[in-house]
Amino acid sequence: DVKVTQSSRYLVKRTGEKVFLECVQDMDHENMFWYRQDPGLGLRLIYFSYDVKMKEKGDIPEGYSVSREKKERFSLILESASTNQTSMYLCASTTDRQEAFFGQGTRLTVV
Amino acid sequence: GENVEQHPSTLSVQEGDSAVIKCTYSDSASNYFPWYKQELGKGPQLIIDIRSNVGEKKDQRIAVTLNKTAKHFSLHITETQPEDSAVYFCAAKGDSGAGSYQLTFGKGTKLSVIP
Repeated sequence: DVKVTQSSRYLVKRTGEKVFLECVQDMDHENMFWYRQDPGLGLRLIYFSYDVKMKEKGDIPEGYSVSREKKERFSLILESASTNQTSMYLCASTTDRQEAFFGQGTRLTVV
Repeated sequence: GENVEQHPSTLSVQEGDSAVIKCTYSDSASNYFPWYKQELGKGPQLIIDIRSNVGEKKDQRIAVTLNKTAKHFSLHITETQPEDSAVYFCAAKGDSGAGSYQLTFGKGTKLSVIP
């Protein structure tokens, strides 16, 4: 089975902190994605990567950056966390047929 | 870019009845349309998908239909069971540029199956 693992289920961080969300997939997928999920807004794409060291902005990249140093790992970085970044964050990777597999999500609260 | 509208946002059905969720998309070049089920506390899970070269696909109690002319696709769940209760998302994938990599999701439908 494909496995996408996010490092934390729940995180509480203070305003202004630098936050790292880690995601690892074990199926050698080329493409990886970070989404945030908010009630009534569905899943919105923050950043994606189609290869090591490559990244592309999604629909809502402001306030975020990403890192893909190895094929299996895709990190989402909040440079200076703010309360409006409190959300559920979902990582996904896709097969070459574009079937997406999601991690279990990280619920981030910024206080 | 692609825009996906999903309706209804909430849906309650009696156990054993059918449930239908509908989505429309804007990019006529889109060619891949998956549906995801998200149970409480979990990430979304792919349950069925359809590609633009077919009009209908079935997998046991679930089916998806696609009308490319009207740019809409639908999820049909028959003989609903309480374990079908979840949030369902439709999505569409574009065919060029950044859109060829990313899925655009609808806002989700919360399905409640009443025993």
